[in-house]
Amino acid sequence: DGGITQSPKYLFRKEGQNVTLSCEQNLNHDAMYWYRQDPGQGLRLIYYSQIVNDFQKGDIAEGYSVSREKKESFPLTVTSAQKNPTAFYLCASTPAWLSAGELFFGEGSRLTVL
Amino acid sequence: AQTVTQSQPEMSVQEAETVTLSCTYDTSESDYYLFWYKQPPSRQMILVIRQEAYKQQNATENRFSVNFQKAAKSFSLKISDSQLGDAAMYFCAYRVNYGQNFVFGPGTRLSVLP
Repeated sequence: DGGITQSPKYLFRKEGQNVTLSCEQNLNHDAMYWYRQDPGQGLRLIYYSQIVNDFQKGDIAEGYSVSREKKESFPLTVTSAQKNPTAFYLCASTPAWLSAGELFFGEGSRLTVL
Repeated sequence: AQTVTQSQPEMSVQEAETVTLSCTYDTSESDYYLFWYKQPPSRQMILVIRQEAYKQQNATENRFSVNFQKAAKSFSLKISDSQLGDAAMYFCAYRVNYGQNFVFGPGTRLSVLP
């Protein structure tokens, strides 16, 4: 089945540590996205990528980094510079060639900083 | 910048009744797409319905329908014959045609009462 796989589902981190969240898709989608979701708030865009080896900052990119070395993969690193990293993180994708395409989402990763 | 507003943080409905969730948006574009996503307790984001701005006819998907008022920039979701499984967070989202950014509203938490 085609879809988006995020791992791990739950992650605990000590302050000062970098962590990387994995996102893999087998939908052959060009564009991939990372969103952050906090309680009572909507989704805020961290980074997005339209093609391999290219990505753009979203609204809240500070303290995060990404890479897009393969079409299928778009990992997100939460660095120690992110002041409040505890949140729910959602990865999504869409076929960039289809202007009206909706976003397809993974099941999310919950990061907790201890 | 485009913005999406959902003025009802929480709503409730009796099982089998009808409920309408509100969404307004701000844009200077004329060609765009609107979406309603459902996020149940599992946190998996699911597309409920989509609307193309160039279409005057309101979209319908089974028990879900929209009231799209382009001039008023309003995009409400009507859920008929509400079921317990409809309980979730509902997010309204906007995407300009050929744009890569999706803008989400803050969400409405819907409770369904037996």
